[in-house]
Amino acid sequence: DIVMTQSPSSLAVSAGETVTINCKSSQSLLSSGNQKNYLAWYQQKPGQSPKLLIYLASTRESGVPDRFIGSGSGTDFTLTISSVQAEDLADYYCQQHYSYPLTFGSGTKLEIK
Amino acid sequence: EVQLVESGGGLVQPGRSLKLSCVASGFTFSNYGMNWIRQAPGKGLEWVAYISSGSSYIYYAETVKGRFTISRDNAKNTLYLQMTSLRSEDTALYYCARPRLTTVAPNWFAYWGQGTLVTVSS
Repeated sequence: DIVMTQSPSSLAVSAGETVTINCKSSQSLLSSGNQKNYLAWYQQKPGQSPKLLIYLASTRESGVPDRFIGSGSGTDFTLTISSVQAEDLADYYCQQHYSYPLTFGSGTKLEIK
Repeated sequence: EVQLVESGGGLVQPGRSLKLSCVASGFTFSNYGMNWIRQAPGKGLEWVAYISSGSSYIYYAETVKGRFTISRDNAKNTLYLQMTSLRSEDTALYYCARPRLTTVAPNWFAYWGQGTLVTVSS
């Protein structure tokens, strides 16, 4: 199974700051066939279902603000949230969609100071 | 608009069984594989099971293999999760989720239901 290690587990920032969340996989998520990285990011606000933000490591889902940026390749990935807003208060999860069983990172709780 | 509505959760004693349902609408259900994902109270997300559009391919997490059975009825646009030999660690909010692509290959979850809560306790 592919183990997803996410860091930090929590962080608190002021509105307007930039946030970086890291996700590391125990094996490469890069497909040799199409050179795409099979990693997604989700946002889960309090009391809500998860919402897809990013897939294929860097493709933003329709309607997601461009301050959410996914990057990385192979085993190391990053979700960057620039100019954080109060509405970004949430838990963030990475997920590999490279192979079954599908696995998630343990999550990062983002708090706004 | 894609909608996924789960039901069937509740309080159940350890060792007993429960069957969850997820009714889908807003898309051609029979074209898509479907997943169950769970989230224990205050914890992270755990993928539970996948079933392909025609039920030919089924995958489970090791934690539920042999105890849970995923199935679907395309005529009723409904996904099921039959859970047996329930344990306290199965206590969670259970989501059904639809991937973005119609392929059997693993992909990302574009649509989620609101979840149904299963509590396993004596």
